[in-house]
Amino acid sequence: DQQVKQNSPSLSVQEGRISILNCDYTNSMFDYFLWYKKYPAEGPTFLISISSIKDKNEDGRFTVFLNKSAKHLSLHIVPSQPGDSAVYFCAASGQGGSEKLVFGKGTKLTVNP
Amino acid sequence: DAGITQSPRHKVTETGTPVTLRCHQTENHRYMYWYRQDPGHGLRLIHYSYGVKDTDKGEVSDGYSVSRSKTEDFLLTLESATSSQTSVYFCAISPRSTSTDTQYFGPGTRLTVL
Repeated sequence: DQQVKQNSPSLSVQEGRISILNCDYTNSMFDYFLWYKKYPAEGPTFLISISSIKDKNEDGRFTVFLNKSAKHLSLHIVPSQPGDSAVYFCAASGQGGSEKLVFGKGTKLTVNP
Repeated sequence: DAGITQSPRHKVTETGTPVTLRCHQTENHRYMYWYRQDPGHGLRLIHYSYGVKDTDKGEVSDGYSVSRSKTEDFLLTLESATSSQTSVYFCAISPRSTSTDTQYFGPGTRLTVL
C-alpha cells in the first residue's frame, strides 16, 4: 500500500507562473518531509524539507506547506523557470528519526518558455 | 555536492549472471542506502547500512545482497540477475547525526539484464 502518493504524474506551467506540486501521505507516524528534484540521467538532489512541528518552510523561490490534519503537503515554485523542468519526488520519514525515507512516484514538471 | 561515486555507470548483462554495483563515498557518513528507480514506482529502498558490517533490508530486498566492509564502500550484489532487475540503481548517504538529516544521492547506475 502506497504510503506517500503523488497523484499527478505530470504538470505543465508557463514560465513566470506558479508551480504547485502536491503530495499526500497515509502514515500518521511520518514527521519529516522532503522534496527532491531529479534531472534525466542524474541522481535526485535535495530541494527543501519540513518538520511536522512547522506548517511552512521557505527557501528562495521554493516553499513547502504542510497540512497535518489533511496529511497533505505541497511544493510551490514562484516564479517558475525553464530550468525547474524536472521530476519532483516527495519523501517522508517516521517518528524518532527513522533512517528510512519513503518516496512518492514523482511528478514531472515542465516549465514552458 | 556530496562525494558519492557509483561504478559502473552503465552495465548490460545476461540473465543468470552475478552482478556487483559499487558505491563509494568520501564524506565519512555513517548511513548508506541502495535504491532502485523504475517507471511508475518512484524510488524504492533495497537495502541500507548503518555502519561497517551493519545492514538491513528495505522494501524490495529479494534477489539482492549487500556488504559494507569499509565506511566508504557499500556493495550491492545481484547473485543471479533477472530481467525484472533491469533498473536504475541509486546509492545515497546520510550522516544521520540528527533525525532531520537528509540523504544525498549518487549519479546512478543503469543496469540492463537481457
